[in-house]
Amino acid sequence: AQSVTQLGSHVSVSEGALVLLRCNYSSSVPPYLFWYVQYPNQGLQLLLKYTTGATLVKGINGFEAEFKKSETSFHLTKPSAHMSDAAEYFCAVSEASGTYKYIFGTGTRLKVLA
Amino acid sequence: DAGVIQSPRHEVTEMGQEVTLRCKPISGHNSLFWYRQTMMRGLELLIYFNNNVPIDDSGMPEDRFSAKMPNASFSTLKIQPSEPRDSAVYFCASLPGEGSNQPQHFGDGTRLSIL
Repeated sequence: AQSVTQLGSHVSVSEGALVLLRCNYSSSVPPYLFWYVQYPNQGLQLLLKYTTGATLVKGINGFEAEFKKSETSFHLTKPSAHMSDAAEYFCAVSEASGTYKYIFGTGTRLKVLA
Repeated sequence: DAGVIQSPRHEVTEMGQEVTLRCKPISGHNSLFWYRQTMMRGLELLIYFNNNVPIDDSGMPEDRFSAKMPNASFSTLKIQPSEPRDSAVYFCASLPGEGSNQPQHFGDGTRLSIL
């Protein structure tokens, strides 16, 4: 069965500092991986996705993530945090075999300190 | 390009009342999902449809919940009778359906409060 683990339900960084949000998955088949961001009172917005090809994926708002099969990880990074990055971030996995179901992590709330 | 549209955005009602949440997926998307989000349980998939047919409803909590998709542009999630523990944010998402490598597109949700 697939699962997603996001380490750290809350992460605080200073403005301008590196953002690192961790996501580990388990899957018996090649996964598709996604990062979503949720701002208060809004739905989930896609940041980036990995399906096939290049393992370093660039997304919107300066975020990127690297798929590391050997570590079963898909950590999200941004070199320099901005106040507007404060939000909740969700990692999700789906099977590459064709099912449309996502398994979501429990989310990480990012706080950016001035 | 219009995204997934949900209505109402907020609903407050008394226990025992019927609640109907509505969703219009993105035009051309073949798959539709209903999720529930709470602090305690996070994001839970309730049901998903492909080409208007329910494929997996294993996440529907109990018989008080029902979902329909009468056509490709409209879906409803109904709770009857409602209970305070149903209070949550309910999201609808849609997917082009050509393959699971496509991202799901989410609506802004309906915040439901049952008093």
